[in-house]
Amino acid sequence: GAVVSQHPSWVICKSGTSVKIECRSLDFQATTMFWYRQFPKQSLMLMATSNEGSKATYEQGVEKDKFLINHASLTLSTLTVTSAHPEDSSFYICSADPSGVNIQYFGAGTRLSVL
Amino acid sequence: KQEVTQIPAALSVPEGENLVLNCSFTDSAIYNLQWFRQDPGKGLTSLLLIQSSQREQTSGRLNASLDKSSGRSTLYIAASQPGDSATYLCAVRPNTGGFKTIFGAGTRLFVKA
Repeated sequence: GAVVSQHPSWVICKSGTSVKIECRSLDFQATTMFWYRQFPKQSLMLMATSNEGSKATYEQGVEKDKFLINHASLTLSTLTVTSAHPEDSSFYICSADPSGVNIQYFGAGTRLSVL
Repeated sequence: KQEVTQIPAALSVPEGENLVLNCSFTDSAIYNLQWFRQDPGKGLTSLLLIQSSQREQTSGRLNASLDKSSGRSTLYIAASQPGDSATYLCAVRPNTGGFKTIFGAGTRLFVKA
């Protein structure tokens, strides 16, 4: 089946630094990828839709300058948390749609801890 | 606006019991519905995917049903085991609005040995 790889799986950083998370579709092309955020004991909330070759579409309340999304190829989307602060500590998960198939495949997630 | 609700929020059962987890959604215009399992601190594991034209899907001890007209889905787990302990998430993919998947808050299941 389709595989989505997310890296790193866990990252600890100091407050004020930037962290980049990668989401790769390993065996399919994805024109669209999605980024979700999950706080402890809560469900996943969509942050943004990443579109290959164009700007990402952010959900209401998500700061686009804080969470930079780049989808430069059909197999890679990146999420950069800029100037991270402790309140950005969360679980971030990406998903990807194989082109022409309306099924989402999810990455394993990245746990971000900001000290 | 699509909303997904899961009941109960938490459930504790003895090993061997059959159980049902419930998911309801407010807008029947969906493309598919998916059930996931999430272990503490881990990512999502897809359990079952039901397309809008389907009524149910089965995998091993799991059976998921979909009643689109009433906005409901159930996940049936037969002969529960301690290893089934996890959070179960229901997710609905609308067929409008950019196909953005909406997740329920989940049901935390604990199966006692």
